[in-house]
Amino acid sequence: RKEVEQDPGPFNVPEGATVAFNCTYSNSASQSFFWYRQDCRKEPKLLMSVYSSGNEDGRFTAQLNRASQYISLLIRDSKLSDSATYLCVVNNANSGYALNFGKGTSLLVTP
Amino acid sequence: DTGVSQDPRHKITKRGQNVTFRCDPISEHNRLYWYRQTLGQGPEFLTYFQNEAQLEKSRLLSDRFSAERPKGSFSTLEIQRTEQGDSAMYLCASSTPGQGTYNEQFFGPGTRLTVL
Repeated sequence: RKEVEQDPGPFNVPEGATVAFNCTYSNSASQSFFWYRQDCRKEPKLLMSVYSSGNEDGRFTAQLNRASQYISLLIRDSKLSDSATYLCVVNNANSGYALNFGKGTSLLVTP
Repeated sequence: DTGVSQDPRHKITKRGQNVTFRCDPISEHNRLYWYRQTLGQGPEFLTYFQNEAQLEKSRLLSDRFSAERPKGSFSTLEIQRTEQGDSAMYLCASSTPGQGTYNEQFFGPGTRLTVL
Protein backbone atom coordinates (compact mmCIF):
# COMPACT_ATOMS: atom_id res chain seq x y z
CA ARG A 1 0.00 0.00 0.00
CA LYS A 2 1.36 3.38 -0.96
CA GLU A 3 1.86 5.84 1.87
CA VAL A 4 -0.19 8.54 0.11
CA GLU A 5 -3.28 7.67 -1.89
CA GLN A 6 -5.14 9.96 -4.29
CA ASP A 7 -7.87 9.55 -6.85
CA PRO A 8 -5.97 10.07 -10.13
CA GLY A 9 -9.01 11.49 -11.92
CA PRO A 10 -9.11 13.08 -14.42
CA PHE A 11 -11.51 15.69 -13.15
CA ASN A 12 -13.03 17.65 -16.03
CA VAL A 13 -14.91 20.73 -14.82
CA PRO A 14 -16.25 23.88 -16.47
CA GLU A 15 -14.83 27.28 -15.67
CA GLY A 16 -16.29 28.68 -12.49
CA ALA A 17 -16.99 25.30 -10.93
CA THR A 18 -15.90 24.22 -7.47
CA VAL A 19 -13.84 21.06 -7.34
CA ALA A 20 -12.54 19.05 -4.39
CA PHE A 21 -9.63 16.63 -4.23
CA ASN A 22 -9.08 14.12 -1.46
CA CYS A 23 -6.05 12.29 -0.23
CA THR A 24 -5.36 9.74 2.51
CA TYR A 25 -2.07 8.87 4.14
CA SER A 26 -1.15 5.72 6.00
CA ASN A 27 1.63 6.81 8.37
CA SER A 28 0.14 8.21 11.56
CA ALA A 29 3.55 9.71 12.42
CA SER A 30 3.31 12.07 9.46
CA GLN A 31 4.01 15.63 10.51
CA SER A 32 3.83 17.94 7.53
CA PHE A 33 1.33 18.07 4.72
CA PHE A 34 1.25 19.89 1.42
CA TRP A 35 -0.37 20.25 -1.94
CA TYR A 36 1.95 20.66 -4.89
CA ARG A 37 0.92 21.59 -8.39
CA GLN A 38 2.59 20.11 -11.47
CA ASP A 39 1.95 21.38 -14.97
CA CYS A 40 2.45 19.03 -17.90
CA ARG A 41 6.13 18.14 -18.34
CA LYS A 42 7.17 20.67 -15.68
CA GLU A 43 8.55 20.38 -12.17
CA PRO A 44 6.28 20.27 -9.09
CA LYS A 45 5.74 23.56 -7.28
CA LEU A 46 4.40 24.11 -3.79
CA LEU A 47 0.78 25.25 -3.89
CA MET A 48 0.15 25.39 -0.17
CA SER A 49 0.92 23.80 3.15
CA VAL A 50 -1.92 22.15 5.03
CA TYR A 51 -2.60 22.74 8.70
CA SER A 52 -4.96 21.06 11.17
CA SER A 53 -6.87 24.30 11.57
CA GLY A 54 -7.42 24.48 7.83
CA ASN A 55 -6.01 27.21 5.67
CA GLU A 56 -7.10 29.29 2.74
CA ASP A 57 -5.20 31.05 -0.01
CA GLY A 58 -7.51 32.95 -2.31
CA ARG A 59 -9.67 30.41 -4.15
CA PHE A 60 -7.85 27.47 -2.58
CA THR A 61 -8.74 25.89 0.76
CA ALA A 62 -6.86 23.00 2.33
CA GLN A 63 -8.03 20.87 5.24
CA LEU A 64 -6.32 18.22 7.34
CA ASN A 65 -8.06 15.62 9.48
CA ARG A 66 -5.37 13.86 11.53
CA ALA A 67 -7.83 11.42 13.14
CA SER A 68 -8.95 10.16 9.74
CA GLN A 69 -5.53 10.71 8.10
CA TYR A 70 -7.26 12.63 5.37
CA ILE A 71 -6.27 15.76 3.46
CA SER A 72 -8.42 17.79 1.09
CA LEU A 73 -8.06 20.63 -1.38
CA LEU A 74 -10.97 22.74 -2.53
CA ILE A 75 -10.71 25.00 -5.55
CA ARG A 76 -13.49 27.56 -5.97
CA ASP A 77 -14.34 29.47 -9.15
CA SER A 78 -12.06 27.30 -11.30
CA LYS A 79 -9.98 29.05 -13.96
CA LEU A 80 -8.60 27.59 -17.17
CA SER A 81 -5.14 28.17 -15.69
CA ASP A 82 -5.92 25.79 -12.81
CA SER A 83 -5.61 22.87 -15.23
CA ALA A 84 -2.72 20.79 -13.87
CA THR A 85 -1.95 17.76 -11.73
CA TYR A 86 -2.33 18.27 -8.00
CA LEU A 87 -0.02 16.21 -5.84
CA CYS A 88 -0.77 15.39 -2.22
CA VAL A 89 2.48 15.33 -0.25
CA VAL A 90 3.36 14.14 3.23
CA ASN A 91 6.55 14.38 5.26
CA ASN A 92 7.34 12.56 8.48
CA ALA A 93 10.26 12.44 10.86
CA ASN A 94 10.92 8.77 10.12
CA SER A 95 11.72 9.55 6.52
CA GLY A 96 13.96 12.47 7.36
CA TYR A 97 13.38 15.22 4.86
CA ALA A 98 11.98 13.02 2.12
CA LEU A 99 8.68 14.10 0.65
CA ASN A 100 6.19 11.30 0.01
CA PHE A 101 4.05 12.11 -3.01
CA GLY A 102 0.73 10.70 -4.07
CA LYS A 103 0.21 9.82 -7.73
CA GLY A 104 -1.50 13.12 -8.33
CA THR A 105 -4.99 14.12 -9.41
CA SER A 106 -5.40 15.52 -12.91
CA LEU A 107 -7.65 18.54 -13.34
CA LEU A 108 -8.85 19.93 -16.65
CA VAL A 109 -10.89 23.12 -16.56
CA THR A 110 -12.81 23.70 -19.77
CA PRO A 111 -14.33 26.88 -21.21
CA ASP B 1 17.77 32.58 -13.36
CA THR B 2 18.44 31.85 -9.69
CA GLY B 3 16.39 28.65 -9.45
CA VAL B 4 17.55 25.05 -9.36
CA SER B 5 19.15 24.02 -12.63
CA GLN B 6 19.70 20.55 -14.05
CA ASP B 7 21.79 19.33 -16.92
CA PRO B 8 21.16 17.77 -19.35
CA ARG B 9 17.44 18.31 -19.76
CA HIS B 10 17.13 15.24 -21.94
CA LYS B 11 19.29 12.15 -22.24
CA ILE B 12 18.84 9.22 -24.59
CA THR B 13 21.11 6.27 -24.01
CA LYS B 14 21.39 2.62 -24.88
CA ARG B 15 20.84 -0.10 -22.36
CA GLY B 16 24.01 -0.93 -20.47
CA GLN B 17 25.55 2.53 -20.75
CA ASN B 18 26.36 4.73 -17.75
CA VAL B 19 24.79 8.16 -17.41
CA THR B 20 25.48 11.09 -15.11
CA PHE B 21 23.19 14.00 -14.34
CA ARG B 22 24.10 17.28 -12.71
CA CYS B 23 22.10 19.50 -10.36
CA ASP B 24 22.98 23.03 -9.29
CA PRO B 25 20.87 24.10 -6.29
CA ILE B 26 19.82 27.60 -5.32
CA SER B 27 23.02 29.15 -4.01
CA GLU B 28 22.13 29.60 -0.34
CA HIS B 29 20.44 26.20 -0.03
CA ASN B 30 22.47 23.59 1.82
CA ARG B 31 20.04 20.71 1.42
CA LEU B 32 19.77 18.91 -1.90
CA TYR B 33 17.42 16.08 -2.86
CA TRP B 34 17.04 13.68 -5.77
CA TYR B 35 13.71 12.22 -6.85
CA ARG B 36 12.58 10.03 -9.73
CA GLN B 37 9.24 10.40 -11.45
CA THR B 38 7.80 7.85 -13.85
CA LEU B 39 4.79 8.41 -16.07
CA GLY B 40 1.55 8.69 -14.14
CA GLN B 41 3.26 8.60 -10.75
CA GLY B 42 4.30 11.21 -8.24
CA PRO B 43 7.98 11.84 -7.59
CA GLU B 44 9.75 9.13 -5.60
CA PHE B 45 12.48 10.13 -3.15
CA LEU B 46 15.95 8.71 -3.83
CA THR B 47 18.50 10.46 -1.62
CA TYR B 48 19.45 13.74 0.02
CA PHE B 49 22.46 15.74 1.13
CA GLN B 50 23.06 18.31 3.79
CA ASN B 51 26.09 20.20 2.57
CA GLU B 52 28.44 17.48 1.30
CA ALA B 53 27.11 14.76 3.63
CA GLN B 54 24.73 12.20 2.12
CA LEU B 55 22.36 11.67 5.03
CA GLU B 56 19.91 9.27 3.41
CA LYS B 57 20.68 6.82 0.64
CA SER B 58 18.79 3.70 1.58
CA ARG B 59 16.08 4.57 -0.91
CA LEU B 60 18.34 4.62 -3.92
CA LEU B 61 16.76 2.09 -6.24
CA SER B 62 19.71 -0.25 -6.56
CA ASP B 63 23.47 -0.31 -6.23
CA ARG B 64 23.63 0.92 -9.82
CA PHE B 65 22.53 4.33 -8.53
CA SER B 66 24.94 6.64 -6.74
CA ALA B 67 25.04 10.34 -5.93
CA GLU B 68 27.72 12.77 -4.86
CA ARG B 69 27.97 16.34 -3.68
CA PRO B 70 31.70 16.73 -3.25
CA LYS B 71 31.95 20.38 -2.25
CA GLY B 72 28.50 20.90 -0.88
CA SER B 73 27.38 22.83 -3.94
CA PHE B 74 26.36 20.99 -7.12
CA SER B 75 25.48 17.30 -7.07
CA THR B 76 25.68 14.46 -9.56
CA LEU B 77 23.51 11.38 -9.88
CA GLU B 78 25.02 8.44 -11.75
CA ILE B 79 23.25 5.37 -13.06
CA GLN B 80 25.50 2.54 -14.13
CA ARG B 81 24.53 -0.18 -16.62
CA THR B 82 21.24 1.49 -17.43
CA GLU B 83 18.13 -0.61 -17.95
CA GLN B 84 14.94 0.26 -19.81
CA GLY B 85 13.14 0.51 -16.47
CA ASP B 86 15.38 3.43 -15.56
CA SER B 87 13.58 5.60 -18.12
CA ALA B 88 12.02 8.40 -16.09
CA MET B 89 12.29 12.05 -15.12
CA TYR B 90 15.01 12.66 -12.54
CA LEU B 91 14.24 15.69 -10.40
CA CYS B 92 16.54 17.60 -8.13
CA ALA B 93 15.33 19.90 -5.35
CA SER B 94 16.99 22.13 -2.81
CA SER B 95 16.01 23.83 0.43
CA THR B 96 17.39 26.01 3.19
CA PRO B 97 18.23 24.46 6.57
CA GLY B 98 15.92 26.49 8.78
CA GLN B 99 14.29 25.01 11.85
CA GLY B 100 12.07 21.98 12.13
CA THR B 101 11.90 19.03 9.84
CA TYR B 102 10.64 20.75 6.76
CA ASN B 103 11.50 23.70 4.64
CA GLU B 104 10.04 24.21 1.19
CA GLN B 105 11.84 22.19 -1.46
CA PHE B 106 12.30 23.98 -4.77
CA PHE B 107 12.48 21.67 -7.74
CA GLY B 108 14.56 21.94 -10.85
CA PRO B 109 13.16 21.27 -14.35
CA GLY B 110 14.36 17.68 -14.30
CA THR B 111 16.41 15.46 -16.60
CA ARG B 112 14.32 13.17 -18.78
CA LEU B 113 16.13 9.87 -19.35
CA THR B 114 15.18 7.47 -22.12
CA VAL B 115 16.92 4.11 -22.20
CA LEU B 116 16.61 2.31 -25.53
